[in-house]
Amino acid sequence: EADIYQTPRYLVIGTGKKITLECSQTMGHDKMYWYQQDPGMELHLIHYSYGVNSTEKGDLSSESTVSRIRTEHFPLTLESARPSHTSQYLCASKKEGYEQYFGPGTRLTVT
Amino acid sequence: GQQVMQIPQYQHVQEGEDFTTYCNSSTTLSNIQWYKQRPGGHPVFLIQLVKSGEVKKQKRLTFQFGEAKKNSSLHITATQTTDVGTYFCAGPGDSNYQLIWGAGTKLIIKP
Repeated sequence: EADIYQTPRYLVIGTGKKITLECSQTMGHDKMYWYQQDPGMELHLIHYSYGVNSTEKGDLSSESTVSRIRTEHFPLTLESARPSHTSQYLCASKKEGYEQYFGPGTRLTVT
Repeated sequence: GQQVMQIPQYQHVQEGEDFTTYCNSSTTLSNIQWYKQRPGGHPVFLIQLVKSGEVKKQKRLTFQFGEAKKNSSLHITATQTTDVGTYFCAGPGDSNYQLIWGAGTKLIIKP
């Protein structure tokens, strides 16, 4: 099983709050990704990173931001949470040419 | 832009019946990957196909990559309750660091 961790696993928060979802991997992978997914539905790429200090926006318009200061750490921040942000957020990493490894996900509910 | 279409969206089967999901890409793919996501879980890599016309088997699962490398299929023989979940195909995007995901096919076992 791959070593990629996400915290918190579940989060219920009020509208307007700032939140950071944590993602860490211990595999030394350069590429990391954030996806948004409603349960069992399509995966939507919201951010990705090729390596330290490189981040790009994905296909899904998102009001979140990311940073990649260390290889192993790729946090996602929502400056002002809204009910439309309610979803599951999946972090993934990969070595070039290989498959993506996913973390267990964070289920976010914004009330 | 590049798209990967996956059908059907859902398939209800009796336990013991077969299951098939199909992926079609708008462009030729260098490879295609398949993932399985159990209910409440995260996607887990199953296999990667690279060669034109390639067929690979994992126990009751058979994966095929089309001759033109634009389509692929996953066939499960004699489904079991442990097969329940959503099966996703994914192909490399323009940057080769991203994956373009199919929408997934949910396998549901009828009670």
